[in-house]
Amino acid sequence: RKEVEQDPGPFNVPEGATVAFNCTYSNSASQSFFWYRQDCRKEPKLLMSVYSSGNEDGRFTAQLNRASQYISLLIRDSKLSDSATYLCVVKELDGGATNKLIFGTGTLLAVQP
Amino acid sequence: ETGVTQTPRHLVMGMTNKKSLKCEQHLGHNAMYWYKQSAKKPLELMFVYNFKEQTENNSVPSRFSPECPNSSHLFLHLHTLQPEDSALYLCASSQGVRGAEAFFGQGTRLTVV
Repeated sequence: RKEVEQDPGPFNVPEGATVAFNCTYSNSASQSFFWYRQDCRKEPKLLMSVYSSGNEDGRFTAQLNRASQYISLLIRDSKLSDSATYLCVVKELDGGATNKLIFGTGTLLAVQP
Repeated sequence: ETGVTQTPRHLVMGMTNKKSLKCEQHLGHNAMYWYKQSAKKPLELMFVYNFKEQTENNSVPSRFSPECPNSSHLFLHLHTLQPEDSALYLCASSQGVRGAEAFFGQGTRLTVV
């Protein structure tokens, strides 16, 4: 089983649509969770951290379910500029000595005009 | 100017060459990472350094040799690479604490011929 699993997509949606991405992780000891965005041929950049209580940043909402080891990202009112690959990222800490950021395969989003 | 700088941005090398990739971070972070991103594959964690000490070697072949002389600099020494090693090599840094996200450099696009 992969450590972090995502549906690779692509998700083709019209402008203004709402789209949801899901992610599952295998290590129940994982400590921190993030969504990153990666544009074509560019480096990944942090979109938002994910907290147990859920968090929202404008059109983006992230949620974490530790019991199910499941993370989600909801994008409302999609814009053309949202087209990118969205990476689910899990951070594992091993007694504070080891930091491992494990990436999912990414989900490709293409917003159509 | 980004907080994490990688050089060179592009590199073409023969299988018998020796080259080095350089990463420098100006963010005061204590953890640095090397990732490999091949076409249509997820980011693969290669090495993790915490406070200059290597804490993770993700079964990387010995033809890749990391070096971390201080908390701000990270190198990846390359020798006798194979064509399948062609990929985007990304350096990242973070604080080694729970909840701290990673910041990436722009990557070195390596082609082995």
